[in-house]
This record gives sequence, structure tokens and C-alpha cells, in this order.
Amino acid sequence: DSGVTQTPKHLITATGQRVTLRCSPRSGDLSVYWYQQSLDQGLQFLIQYYNGEERAKGNILERFSAQQFPDLHSELNLSSLELGDSALYFCASSPATSGNEQFFGPGTRLTVL
Amino acid sequence: QKEVEQDPGPLSVPEGAIVSLNCTYSNSAFQYFMWYRQYSRKGPELLMYTYSSGNKEDGRFTAQVDKSSKYISLFIRDSQPSDSATYLCAMGGEYGNKLVFGAGTILRVKS
Repeated sequence: DSGVTQTPKHLITATGQRVTLRCSPRSGDLSVYWYQQSLDQGLQFLIQYYNGEERAKGNILERFSAQQFPDLHSELNLSSLELGDSALYFCASSPATSGNEQFFGPGTRLTVL
Repeated sequence: QKEVEQDPGPLSVPEGAIVSLNCTYSNSAFQYFMWYRQYSRKGPELLMYTYSSGNKEDGRFTAQVDKSSKYISLFIRDSQPSDSATYLCAMGGEYGNKLVFGAGTILRVKS
């Protein structure tokens, strides 16, 4: 158990809908990262937040957005969902000081029908 | 060409064998390197973290980084059936804390 929690574990929804994925980092970690894992693209970095501020951005679609709250939990919002958005979404967190070792949560499996 | 290349396997070995997993990369800005183990439909589990070149050992696992060749390796000694999983290399340092992952190598250890 990495100490990173994610909810829900599974999500099944329809095209065009909007969903919110939630992540709680390890105790003491200030950075939260979101990754998408699909069969054809592998693990892809989406976005990083550090202590509430956006720190780095990957190839995140405009339909996707994220935020980190004062209690350091983070949410990833996916809107206007398409079939191709079906994937595993992982959250990771890193220690406040070292910053580089990233510990992953169990993931949310999103299925868009 | 991908930034990180990793043979997807599968790699099948008998129990007790020494396993060698490798990745090559093209971006010389990468400074830190990690190996993750991922069981089916689970989150990646951090195995090894190495900063810059050199070796690091932890129990049955040894990680090697050769920045001059842009080549990293993970060795698993005395492999066990429980080591059967997908092994992902990851590296970063070029842009914030973004990690770039290899495609993952599927390892099967047969008893």
C-alpha cells in the first residue's frame, strides 16, 4: 500500500458525460500528479500540482482539468467524454523534500460506453 | 522515435534465474531513473530510484544507470513466481517532475 488513495475504483459512463476522479496523496506529500494509462499509449503524464498550484503540464486534453485543494487532495475532471478516454487513471504523489520519487495510487478504471 | 524504448516481452524465465530488464532513452536531460513493478490492473509500485549514473542495490534488485550510453538496467536475482508482473522504467528531470515511462516489459517466472 503506497498510502495514496483514489476513488472511485471503477467508473462506467456514457459518451458526452462528465466525471470527477479524486485522489488523496500520502501524508506529508505536497505534489500530486495525474497519469493516464491506455493499452496503445502506455503511461502518459497529464498534469502536476504542487501545494495547490499547477506546476507542470503534459499532453492533457482541453476537455480535462484538475485542481488541488487546501487539504492537498486533488480532483481530475473529464468532460465531453469520448470512447477513447476509456483508460486507467492514476494519481501519484511525491515527498515534499525529495520531490522526485513518485508513489502511485491504485487507479480509477474509466469505461466510456 | 520514442523518448524511452523498452522491449515489451514477454520474458519467460525459470524460477531462480537472474533476470535482466533494460531501457534506452534519447533525452540527455534525464537525471533520475526509476523502476516500477505493476501487477495486472494495479497501480505501479516503486522498486528502485537512482539519481544520475551508477548502481544501486536493494535486496534481490540491482539498478544500473549508464548515462553515457543512455541505458538503464534492472537485475532481479533468484527470481520468484511472485515477481511475475510488468516492469516499467521511468525517467525524469527534463521538465519539472514529469516522468516519461517505457512501454513496460512483461515478466513471467515459471515454477
